[in-house]
Amino acid sequence: QVQLQESGPGLVKPSETLSLTCTVSGDSISRYYWSWIRQPPGKGLEWIGYIYHSGTTNYNPSLKSRVTILVDTPKNQFSLELNSVTAADTAVYYCARHKGPPPLDYWGQGTLVTVSS
Amino acid sequence: QSALTQPPSASGSPGQSVTISCTGTSSDIGGYYYVSWYQRHPGKAPKLMIYEVTKRPSGVPARFSGSKSGNTATLTVSGLQAEDEADYFCGSYAGNNNFVVFGGGTKLTVL
Repeated sequence: QVQLQESGPGLVKPSETLSLTCTVSGDSISRYYWSWIRQPPGKGLEWIGYIYHSGTTNYNPSLKSRVTILVDTPKNQFSLELNSVTAADTAVYYCARHKGPPPLDYWGQGTLVTVSS
Repeated sequence: QSALTQPPSASGSPGQSVTISCTGTSSDIGGYYYVSWYQRHPGKAPKLMIYEVTKRPSGVPARFSGSKSGNTATLTVSGLQAEDEADYFCGSYAGNNNFVVFGGGTKLTVL
């Protein structure tokens, strides 16, 4: 059974860097693609970016200048860094797996990150 | 505002059928066969229910079906059951740059 679990601070100050980790169990991160998605309160889901196990990345053009996604193969984890955050980055952040094009077949349950001083 | 448009709510009585629409453009739904539907219960991980427009993953009941016409995809839930009450959102491949876009979600209520 593939499971994904997001972890990280629930509160980040404006202008600082949001950092989250997704821990994968039941599958090796050395296969497939791994994405981050977010949903601001009252709004729809937005894809942030993905990483392939080789380290190849693809980012949403609207966030590309502020996003870094990395993979840690020994720990079976991948991570998200979003810098220079503002209140508009407040959202539930999800991690998910996919084998290429959508669908995203396994998701984490999401973690709320609030940007506030 | 979401890239794909869904009705905010839908409802039906047990045993009835309900449809949920998802409207996009020729750059996403209309251009590819990679439309998927997800079920999300509060506080739980989203679950894949339909992929590639019409396919069901193993373990998803046959009561769930999908279709597409032009720029609009549709999820149909037949024989509604109480446990089907959840939020449903659609997703579509949108090319390499934007990769995947999603709908805003539809809250399905079983009356």
